[in-house]
Amino acid sequence: DTEVTQTPKHLVMGMTNKKSLKCEQHMGHRAMYWYKQKAKKPPELMFVYSYEKLSINESVPSRFSPECPNSSLLNLHLHALQPEDSALYLCASSQEQGALSEKLFFGSGTQLSVL
Amino acid sequence: KQEVTQIPAALSVPEGENLVLNCSFTDSAIYNLQWFRQDPGKGLTSLLLIQSSQREQTSGRLNASLDKSSGRSTLYIAASQPGDSATYLCAALTTDSWGKLQFGAGTQVVVTP
Repeated sequence: DTEVTQTPKHLVMGMTNKKSLKCEQHMGHRAMYWYKQKAKKPPELMFVYSYEKLSINESVPSRFSPECPNSSLLNLHLHALQPEDSALYLCASSQEQGALSEKLFFGSGTQLSVL
Repeated sequence: KQEVTQIPAALSVPEGENLVLNCSFTDSAIYNLQWFRQDPGKGLTSLLLIQSSQREQTSGRLNASLDKSSGRSTLYIAASQPGDSATYLCAALTTDSWGKLQFGAGTQVVVTP
């Protein structure tokens, strides 16, 4: 199984809502990532978890709250988002963080619209 | 800080032509360079990864080269097909980035039948 599964695929939420994005992988990878991608732009790193501990937080606003319940799961909790947070949110995983020869595996993303 | 540039931003070729996609980077202290494919509204698919000690990698019709001294990588796609239409992104992992890939903005490719 070489898949990273993200749910939901699409999400529309109001600025007062609370929602969560979910990501799952069963490749035994120990590093998991959240990226944000705006249309026609490259992905921007948000968070990195390594061995279930937060390793990198790229100064992301607190309305985004990551969680890694176990080595296979990664969540992104959303609260009080702004319309400019509308984007494609991508989860990725790799065997280790920063490994020399390891590819990054991406999920298909959650397209988020904030009204 | 590593900067990654991809030129051109868009490219259109007739089916059967070979594709040449360019990626340049400013910091030669890289661990590896990866090429990804992205279809509209979808995630990224890793195509090839070249480690810093390697000069090239091949997979089927795809060949990627790496020249650290000049700060360049090139992705060749032989005998292009309409199914190759997508955005192609390169990303560099530098030695001091602790796992943070630096992406280029991508080249949007259209292969016309």
